[in-house]
Amino acid sequence: GQQLNQSPQSMFIQEGEDVSMNCTSSSIFNTWLWYKQDPGEGPVLLIALYKAGELTSNGRLTAQFGITRKDSFLNISASIPSDVGIYFCAGHSGGYQKVTFGTGTKLQVIP
Amino acid sequence: EPEVTQTPSHQVTQMGQEVILRCVPISNHLYFYWYRQILGQKVEFLVSFYNNEISEKSEIFDDQFSVERPDGSNFTLKIRSTKLEDSAMYFCASSYRGNDSPLHFGNGTRLTVT
Repeated sequence: GQQLNQSPQSMFIQEGEDVSMNCTSSSIFNTWLWYKQDPGEGPVLLIALYKAGELTSNGRLTAQFGITRKDSFLNISASIPSDVGIYFCAGHSGGYQKVTFGTGTKLQVIP
Repeated sequence: EPEVTQTPSHQVTQMGQEVILRCVPISNHLYFYWYRQILGQKVEFLVSFYNNEISEKSEIFDDQFSVERPDGSNFTLKIRSTKLEDSAMYFCASSYRGNDSPLHFGNGTRLTVT
């Protein structure tokens, strides 16, 4: 089946630093999504990307849909303590909207 | 902002028992989903539901699982005879329409099978 690999698996950063994380796939996706999950809660949508090459921002977050449609990155600028959580990329491959989730990147922010 | 709501937030059951997890999707959404997340692992697709029928299901969604939309607002996941390995967070999600519509997730039901 389709697999999405995220890197890094986890990262510790100082408050105020910028963060970058990647997601790659062996399959093409039509839509890329980035979600954040806090402990004990459901994934919350951060950014949705619909076209290859698209670059979209949401506050301090920026994400890009790779030209090959097989990868995406998420950047967080000037990190703050509430950015702590697990970030998942997810891809739509069409059809009835089945979304495949990546392996997750766990972010820890040191105040 | 409209939300997907799930009940209960935590369900403890004995192995072999039946459980029903309930979800109220966002009211104007047309596509409904169940996902599962075993502790510390990624979110896994179980089933999608559209127009009152299953549209896609994963290999996890075997004969022990079933879904139903009994009325205009609820969407349920039933596990007929629970196993220890069914212990996980179960997330319901909904979306408005086809390929350009992101999924919105509920806060999940933590199922513990003892």
